[in-house]
Amino acid sequence: EPEVTQTPSHQVTQMGQEVILRCVPISNHLYFYWYRQILGQKVEFLVSFYNNEISEKSEIFDDQFSVERPDGSNFTLKIRSTKLEDSAMYFCAIERGTDRTKETQYFGPGTRLLVL
Amino acid sequence: AQKITQTQPGMFVQEKEAVTLDCTYDTSDPSYGLFWYKQPSSGEMIFLIYQGSYDQQNATEGRYSLNFQKARKSANLVISASQLGDSAMYFCAMSEGAGFQKLVFGTGTRLLVSP
Repeated sequence: EPEVTQTPSHQVTQMGQEVILRCVPISNHLYFYWYRQILGQKVEFLVSFYNNEISEKSEIFDDQFSVERPDGSNFTLKIRSTKLEDSAMYFCAIERGTDRTKETQYFGPGTRLLVL
Repeated sequence: AQKITQTQPGMFVQEKEAVTLDCTYDTSDPSYGLFWYKQPSSGEMIFLIYQGSYDQQNATEGRYSLNFQKARKSANLVISASQLGDSAMYFCAMSEGAGFQKLVFGTGTRLLVSP
């Protein structure tokens, strides 16, 4: 059973529109991460979120991006005004925090975003 | 400078043979973790194996083992007895520092297993 699910699996949007990507953890994890992968390229870190606050963000994570945990369980990534270059696969990842695997991040299945 | 370097864009192996996927890393932090993930054509990222910088032994998980050579800063993935289902992209990644840290990924190696 996956540690985390993501919705939607695919999203097509027009440039300039807002999108919200959702991450739903199976258990009550404290640490969340968002990554993106532009087609054919490597996975890039966007932001990490701990205890309802951003703990680190990359230079990619500019003012167009925001994250929140609106209801204490779901974890969302919002892109306010999408650009063509935002087209990518977006992954949510969590850490279990158990002794053996405490540093291992488990990825959700991803949301494939296409901006037209 | 690249933190994670994967020099093999593509690798071919025959079914049932072993294959080694190369990964070198660069960090000055004494505490770090090294990870391998598999990405099949469906796109999900599947965790395979983890090696901590202070681990004395090489990590193993079933058919996967990590050849950790600290002095050379390499963390190669060895897949034994390759199967057709192993055909995928493989990414090496590193986290620096103790605790919960972001992952930095390499560019990946595409492995193709032939019958």
